[in-house]
Amino acid sequence: EVHLVESGGGLVQPGGSLRLSCAASGFIFSNYDMNWVRQAPGKGLEWVSYISSASTIIHYADSVKGRFTISRDNAENSLFLQMDSLRAEDTAVYFCVRVVTPHSHDINLGYWGQGTLVTVSS
Amino acid sequence: EIVLTQSPATLSLSPGERATLSCRASQSVSSFLAWYQQKPGQAPRLLIYDATNRATGIPARFSGSGSGTDFTLTISSLEPEDFAVYYCQQRSIWPPITFGQGTRLEIK
Repeated sequence: EVHLVESGGGLVQPGGSLRLSCAASGFIFSNYDMNWVRQAPGKGLEWVSYISSASTIIHYADSVKGRFTISRDNAENSLFLQMDSLRAEDTAVYFCVRVVTPHSHDINLGYWGQGTLVTVSS
Repeated sequence: EIVLTQSPATLSLSPGERATLSCRASQSVSSFLAWYQQKPGQAPRLLIYDATNRATGIPARFSGSGSGTDFTLTISSLEPEDFAVYYCQQRSIWPPITFGQGTRLEIK
């Protein structure tokens, strides 16, 4: 069974940094592209970042470009999101998401973690 | 950036009724459109991908149709557990991957 467990969320002041982690299990992590998707309180879904299975292709939403960095460690079955220069508008639940198909850039978001809450406030 | 517009914003129906949710794209996304269901306090769940394909474990009462710019998610006979928020998402032209704003399906 696919399991994705996010951690690292919490309260941070504007301008601060956080590093989110996602521990993956139940599948061959190195075969799948991964994403981060966020959801502000009471709002809809917003895609944040994408990383291909071998980390050769990386994309970001314009809203986080230059401030967030996605990475992965296939040996440790882990996905990361380094978030710097945080703003109030970054407050959201951050979901770690696996695509449906291995070795494919299909971006069908098939498996989601339960999310970790990031609150940016003074 | 492709903008997805969902309608209606809220749909009020009773169990057993048929639900029809719409998603319109600002330009053609071919068939590269997915639907997700999200219940309060839970992560979204993939229902339909590539416009018409049910994801693993999704009941047959859920179906998707459409291509180009106009898409529909149909729930043939609503069960109590189907009342939730539904989002569409396109993967035709990305980045960015974009979502619709959601349709809330509520019990009448």
